[in-house]
Amino acid sequence: GQNIDQPTEMTATEGAIVQINCTYQTSGFNGLFWYQQHAGEAPTFLSYNVLDGLEEKGRFSSFLSRSKGYSYLLLKELQMKDSASYLCAVWMNRDDKIIFGKGTRLHILP
Amino acid sequence: SAVISQKPSRDICQRGTSLTIQCQVDSQVTMMFWYRQQPGQSLTLIATANQGSEATYESGFVIDKFPISRPNLTFSTLTVSNMSPEDSSIYLCSGLGDEKLFFGSGTQLSVL
Repeated sequence: GQNIDQPTEMTATEGAIVQINCTYQTSGFNGLFWYQQHAGEAPTFLSYNVLDGLEEKGRFSSFLSRSKGYSYLLLKELQMKDSASYLCAVWMNRDDKIIFGKGTRLHILP
Repeated sequence: SAVISQKPSRDICQRGTSLTIQCQVDSQVTMMFWYRQQPGQSLTLIATANQGSEATYESGFVIDKFPISRPNLTFSTLTVSNMSPEDSSIYLCSGLGDEKLFFGSGTQLSVL
C-alpha cells in the first residue's frame, strides 16, 4: 500500500520563506518528485530526490530523508507567482508507478 | 526534455458515449501513465500504459471502463467508455524520462 501526506493549505508572505513537508509510507521507494501546479495548468517539474540530503535550485530546494520517509520543499524569497499547488509524488519501485500526495495549496500574501 | 502532445484539450460528451484521448511524445520515454484530476484535487493514477501489452490498472479502475493502448514507446490512448457525469474530470497523460515525469496539457472532459 501507499500513504503520502502533505498539509492541505499554507499561507506565507511575499519575500518570506516557506517549507512544505511531505511524509510517505510506500511499498518500495525509488525517489521523490516535487511538482508545482497553477490552476488550470498541467503540473511542472521542480525536483527529484533519490539520495538523502538537500538539493538546491535557485529559490527552490528539496530535502529527502529515506530512513524517515520524509521530504520537504523549501521556497525562498517568495513571489506572488509562487501561489500554486505543490505536489509531492513517490516513485515506487515495487510496482514501478508514481503516486501523488493530495497536494498543498500555497497562498502568498502581499 | 520530452514534450507530450495530448488531444483533445477539452470535450463535452453525452452520457453513454465514449471518448478516446491521444498522447504523442516527441522522444522515447521509459514509462507512460494516465492520471485523473478532479476539480481542486490532486492527481489519481488510473493505470500504467505498458508497451505492447495490457495496461496495469489501479484499484477502482478497470479495463472495460478505461481501455488503454500503447502500441509503441511514444504513443498511448485512453478511452473513457460508457460515460456518466461522474467521469467529468481532467485526464492527464504523462511520460517518465531522465528521472522526470512530463505531462501532456490535459483533457478537460464534461459529461452531460
